[in-house]
Amino acid sequence: AQKVTQAQTEISVVEKEDVTLDCVYETRDTTYYLFWYKQPPSGELVFLIRRNSFDEQNEISGRYSWNFQKSTSSFNFTITASQVVDSAVYFCALSLSGGYQKVTFGTGTKLQVIP
Amino acid sequence: EPEVTQTPSHQVTQMGQEVILRCVPISNHLYFYWYRQILGQKVEFLVSFYNNEISEKSEIFDDQFSVERPDGSNFTLKIRSTKLEDSAMYFCASSDANREQYFGPGTRLTVT
Repeated sequence: AQKVTQAQTEISVVEKEDVTLDCVYETRDTTYYLFWYKQPPSGELVFLIRRNSFDEQNEISGRYSWNFQKSTSSFNFTITASQVVDSAVYFCALSLSGGYQKVTFGTGTKLQVIP
Repeated sequence: EPEVTQTPSHQVTQMGQEVILRCVPISNHLYFYWYRQILGQKVEFLVSFYNNEISEKSEIFDDQFSVERPDGSNFTLKIRSTKLEDSAMYFCASSDANREQYFGPGTRLTVT
């Protein structure tokens, strides 16, 4: 069975601060995908990134960056120079590869960016 | 860009009533899913559907739930006799094999 742990329930930062959201996962499979989703107050799930278990390169997209470390089973997400619009709940998730595969979500981290 | 759509966006129903939540997956996708998110909690897998049958279901997906693809475009989730604890956001998703799942905007179900 797969498990995703997001130990940070809520984080508050002041605008322009950097913030890192932690994610630790468990799976016995060697091939899997990791995801981050953003859920703004309006409720929809916004896809941010998918990472293949064979690709440990860090990724940067604008103010967002992701650090994937298989050695510690972690897939952390950093927002640089946070903005009020970043306020949302962020979910880390995992699925196995191959055909249909359910996505297992973490419990989410609520990020509040204070102006 | 193609997207998954869901109707209605908000459904209010009385306990014991049947509800049908509707989804239109992305047209060339083959795998379909329903997830549930109780307010303030994490998103939980309910069921996956492929080739006109259920591929996998969670323990949440009991006999009160059913899914159907009645035509070539819609994918529905039926709850036969709603309970208060069924109040949640329900997300539909679809995917190709080995690709990320695209989530719909969700249907907020309120059972009174």
